[in-house]
Amino acid sequence: SQQGEEDPQALSIQEGENATMNCSYKTSINNLQWYRQNSGRGLVHLILIRSNEREKHSGRLRVTLDTSKKSSSLLITASRAADTASYFCATASITGNQFYFGTGTSLTVIP
Amino acid sequence: EAQVTQNPRYLITVTGKKLTVTCSQNMNHEYMSWYRQDPGLGLRQIYYSMNVEVTDKGDVPEGYKVSRKEKRNFPLILESPSPNQTSLYFCASSFKNTEAFFGQGTRLTVV
Repeated sequence: SQQGEEDPQALSIQEGENATMNCSYKTSINNLQWYRQNSGRGLVHLILIRSNEREKHSGRLRVTLDTSKKSSSLLITASRAADTASYFCATASITGNQFYFGTGTSLTVIP
Repeated sequence: EAQVTQNPRYLITVTGKKLTVTCSQNMNHEYMSWYRQDPGLGLRQIYYSMNVEVTDKGDVPEGYKVSRKEKRNFPLILESPSPNQTSLYFCASSFKNTEAFFGQGTRLTVV
């Protein structure tokens, strides 16, 4: 399977703290994307980083990509209770045709 | 409003009874795909379509069929459903190598 893995599987933090999630993947990619899912609902796109980029910011989100290690990290700063959700990374194949999702990190932010 | 619409949202069926889950998008996206989500396994791609009349297998295509006769629609067909196809299904659409928009999901139970 080409599926990636995320670490940790579950993370529980206090409101205001930072949350870091890691994603490892197996093959060369065109881009890597992070998604959020609330309790069995549809996924919502957070941020996309292309294979030639190393870091990207969007609001309280910071994503890094290390293609030599085939890994990425998502940092959520100053977390809020509303950030409680599952977070998934997804890699797009070089051709852009196929997507492989990680197994997800379940984040709980305690008010 | 830009959206991906799946129907039905919930479906209980019996083994062997053919069913179709519809997916429609209003964003003129070329790329559409289907995923299944199972606990501990994240999302796995079933089929994808790069454009009208162009479809291809994803990671787990066995037991599924798709068609892409129009750009906006991408139905998922289970010719003879089995209990191991009980899952949460998502349809998604995008322009190539950009963020994907997901439907709200279809929870399928095969008894």
